[in-house]
Amino acid sequence: DGGITQSPKYLFRKEGQNVTLSCEQNLNHDAMYWYRQDPGQGLRLIYYSQIVNDFQKGDIAEGYSVSREKKESFPLTVTSAQKNPTAFYLCASSIADGDTEAFFGQGTRLTVV
Amino acid sequence: DAKTTQPTSMDCAEGRAANLPCNHSTISGNEYVYWYRQIHSQGPQYIIHGLKNNETNEMASLIITEDRKSSTLILPHATLRDTAVYYCIVRAPYAGGTSYGKLTFGQGTILTVHP
Repeated sequence: DGGITQSPKYLFRKEGQNVTLSCEQNLNHDAMYWYRQDPGQGLRLIYYSQIVNDFQKGDIAEGYSVSREKKESFPLTVTSAQKNPTAFYLCASSIADGDTEAFFGQGTRLTVV
Repeated sequence: DAKTTQPTSMDCAEGRAANLPCNHSTISGNEYVYWYRQIHSQGPQYIIHGLKNNETNEMASLIITEDRKSSTLILPHATLRDTAVYYCIVRAPYAGGTSYGKLTFGQGTILTVHP
């Protein structure tokens, strides 16, 4: 089955540690996105990538880093510079051009203690 | 991308039609209207999208006003499983180069379907 997979579903880390969230898609989509969601809030865009080896900052990129070495993968690293990393993280992908829908993963809930 | 305005919350009786409004008065000519919904602690799910004409699929109908400044998502026979946050998004298509068709989510409308 084609889809977008995020792992793990729940993640716990100690404060000051970097952590990397995985996002893989087998939909042959060019575009991939990372969003953050806080309780009772909408989604905020962290980073997005429209093509391999290229990515752009979204609205809240500070304290995060990404890479896009393969079309299928768009990992997100939450660094120790992110002041409030505990949140629900969502990855999405879409065909880069045209009026197509975005497909979302089931999310990773990160808790930093 | 143009901003959207949605009511914070709405209620609907099971079996009735749910009509969710969205204002997008600054929408540009090439921007599409998308609707997604998010059930608690899950990833958003695509519902429908349109440019000018009304659209219908197996999940819902989308009515876009002639001036395109507002739209309404219609769930014809709401069920308890339709309880979710519904997001109205305006998005320009990817046009190459530095033009990115990214999705910008607002607060959405919390739809509660009652028995």
